[in-house]
Parts: sequence; structure tokens; C-alpha cells
Amino acid sequence: DIQMTQSPSSLSASVGDRVTVTCRASQNISTYLNWYQQKPGKAPSLLIHAVSSLQTGVPSRFRGGGSATEFTLTISSLQPDDFATYYCQQSYLIPRTFGQGTKVEI
Amino acid sequence: QVQLVQSGAEVKKSGASVKVSCKASGYTLSFYDINWVRQASGQGLEWMGWMNPTTGKSGSTQRFEGRLTLTRDTATGTAYMELDSLRSDDTAVYFCARGRWLTPGHYSFDVWGQGSTVTVSS
Repeated sequence: DIQMTQSPSSLSASVGDRVTVTCRASQNISTYLNWYQQKPGKAPSLLIHAVSSLQTGVPSRFRGGGSATEFTLTISSLQPDDFATYYCQQSYLIPRTFGQGTKVEI
Repeated sequence: QVQLVQSGAEVKKSGASVKVSCKASGYTLSFYDINWVRQASGQGLEWMGWMNPTTGKSGSTQRFEGRLTLTRDTATGTAYMELDSLRSDDTAVYFCARGRWLTPGHYSFDVWGQGSTVTVSS
């Protein structure tokens, strides 16, 4: 199975900060990488697919990048609604494994 | 409005089985895959398996092979996840999620159910 490792596991930031989350794959997954946001007590929601394509309705302050084994999710100016846990997921192979999550806290 | 509506919370004894339903609303179930993901309290997301509702073909991660059964009823637009021989570490929230090729060649989970809590007690 492909292992996905996120860093950091958690971070503290303030409104207006630029935040970057890193996701590393245990093997080359090309651009088969998605990002999800999950708020407490809620289901995850799709943020970005295929590394950098924003899902409909996702604000442009979210940006995804990378390829092969290293990927990033950047929030250019953190907003109150962005405090949540973020997960990367590879869709290159089954099982479609997730990273362990990065919690973005105030 | 496109959504997946899941069944309610369940409490089961160790060794029992649980069956969770996931009803598609606002679209035809057969058009897209259904994936199942679970999340233990305070933990991350664990992909369990997937099903093609058109063909009934399914697959699961090795961890659940032999215990996980994924089915569907196309007449009602409902997918089902049944997990057998429950253990205490199966206590989790179980999500269904629609799998789509949003970008050619790229697969993602674009619609999620609200989650179904399964508690396994000894």
C-alpha cells in the first residue's frame, strides 16, 4: 500500500497568516493527489483534486502544488472558516490511502 | 441537491454484524462509485472499500477482506456496507462517499454522507 505522510500533524496560526501543509507519498503517484477539509463532527469535503484543481465553490486562497512524491496545500490568508483538519489522499492505486491529517488551530 | 443520506447510529455486541445504508439523492446511484471510509474517535480517515453500483463489482483493503460486504439496491438508489465479526476497534464513524473522475484519469470523493456512528461493546 502507498503510505501518505503529512507534516506537521498540527499547527497554530492566526487569521491572515499564510499556512502550508506538506504531504509525502511513499512512492511516485504522479499528480494523483486530493485534499480534503474536515471540521469537527462533520464529514470531510473535497477541496482540491488532481493536485491543484479547486473543487467548485472552494475559495482561491487555497492552492495545491507538487508532483511525484511531494505535495503542498497552501492557504494564502487564513480565514476563521479555515480552522479545520486537512487530509491528503492518493488516487493512484487502490487502496486509496489518506494521510494522517493536519489540524490547523488558532 | 446532490447528497448521500446515511442510516442512524448503531450499537452492537462484539461478534455481531452491522449494516449501514447510504441513499443517493439528487442523482442516480448507478452513475458513480460508492466508497466507504471510517474514522475512529480522534483519528484519521481509513479507506475501507469501493463498489461500482452499475456492475456490483467491489473491492476492499486487505484488512477487511472476509468481513466486509458492499452491496446496492439500484431500485431505491441505496448502497450498503455490512461489516461482520465486529470487534471493539471497529467502533468508529462510517462514511460513504461518491467516487468520481472529476478530471480525466483523476479520481476523488466529491460527495460524502453525514456519517453513521457504530459502537461495538463487549
